[in-house]
Amino acid sequence: DTGVSQDPRHKITKRGQNVTFRCDPISEHNRLYWYRQTLGQGPEFLTYFQNEAQLEKSRLLSDRFSAERPKGSFSTLEIQRTEQGDSAMYLCASSSSGSETQYFGPGTRLLVL
Amino acid sequence: SQELEQSPQSLIVQEGKNLTINCTSSKTLYGLYWYKQKYGEGLIFLMMLQKGGEEKSHEKITAKLDEKKQQSSLHITASQPSHAGIYLCGAGKRTYKYIFGTGTRLKVLA
Repeated sequence: DTGVSQDPRHKITKRGQNVTFRCDPISEHNRLYWYRQTLGQGPEFLTYFQNEAQLEKSRLLSDRFSAERPKGSFSTLEIQRTEQGDSAMYLCASSSSGSETQYFGPGTRLLVL
Repeated sequence: SQELEQSPQSLIVQEGKNLTINCTSSKTLYGLYWYKQKYGEGLIFLMMLQKGGEEKSHEKITAKLDEKKQQSSLHITASQPSHAGIYLCGAGKRTYKYIFGTGTRLKVLA
């Protein structure tokens, strides 16, 4: 069983550096989502792809954030010029168009020093 | 915008005890999802409820959506240490994005 996978699982970076995270969804899922979760809070929606098209972006996604899903399979989330406030768990989820249930990956925990 | 409030925020129970977690929405729920999250890890899907009055069970966990579709409860019978974690309710309509409650942190003492 290949669920949603994310890489890396942990990332420590210095303020001002760029970071990129990868998400591989469940293979037959055409929808992919990114969420951000800070300590003690539930996940907050960042962006959503259907196949390769990015259909919605949250206002939480500043200009320093960019997400891509070039071939409708894996997705990357890049944060440029990281700030300490970017420290969080970044979660990826996927779903199929026939089901509304989203399945989550293990997350990438980012710490910006 | 819709908000989800969970209660209690945290819970410590002795192994073998029953417990209930509540999720209350500020608006009508069209789809209510329960997830479990172990500390520092991703979310594990538990159950989805859509119809008012619907009740679903999985092993020792039962979830119910009330008739008015603005509140859901998650009940664990005879809790075990393996039930420990953070329980999150999420809601979505034509779900391309969920909103989540802040979670209930459960600790089960052996």
